Amino acid sequence: KNEVEQSPQNLTAQEGEFITINCSYSVGISALHWLQQHPGGGIVSLFMLSSGKKKHGRLIATINIQEKHSSLHITASHPRDSAVYICAVSYSGGGADGLTFGKGTHLIIQP
Amino acid sequence: NAGVMQNPRHLVRRRGQEARLRCSPMKGHSHVYWYRQLPEEGLKFMVYLQKENIIDESGMPKERFSAEFPKEGPSILRIQQVVRGDSAAYFCASSPLGSGTNYGYTFGSGTRLTVV
Repeated sequence: KNEVEQSPQNLTAQEGEFITINCSYSVGISALHWLQQHPGGGIVSLFMLSSGKKKHGRLIATINIQEKHSSLHITASHPRDSAVYICAVSYSGGGADGLTFGKGTHLIIQP
Repeated sequence: NAGVMQNPRHLVRRRGQEARLRCSPMKGHSHVYWYRQLPEEGLKFMVYLQKENIIDESGMPKERFSAEFPKEGPSILRIQQVVRGDSAAYFCASSPLGSGTNYGYTFGSGTRLTVV
């Protein structure tokens, strides 16, 4: 069974700060996903990664397969980035095709 | 091109009633996944369906819960005889031909079920 651990659990920062959220997992995966959820809102898929690095606007996601670790970075953070960021992993084969989720990181960006 | 549509957004049921949650996947997507998010807990996988087939229901409670994805129409998650512990947000996700593992997932806005 794959365990997905995220850190920190809660993060409060000032507008403009560089943000890093970490995710580690315990067994081999096919892909790692970063998701965003606003309070009371739906879930938005930010990135799907199987290797290397991806960038979209101010968001950057990296993954190190050997170390079983991924990071999500937010540059020039803004109050609208305040949300829960969730790391999830998926693996092919073995029957289950759904995602296994971390507990999420609650991010608050203060103006 | 509408995304994944879930309805209703909010659903209130009294204990013992039935709850029916609907999910219409993105156009062209034939794989549907249901997830549950209990208050103050993370998301948990419930069931994975393709048209007319349940592929993996390892996350579904053994009693009172069922899911279907008929040839025509939305996927339905059905909860019979609801109890207070069923109060949660239920999210649906879809993926295109091939599994979400390879093609990624698109999530709906969720249905927030409250059992009173």
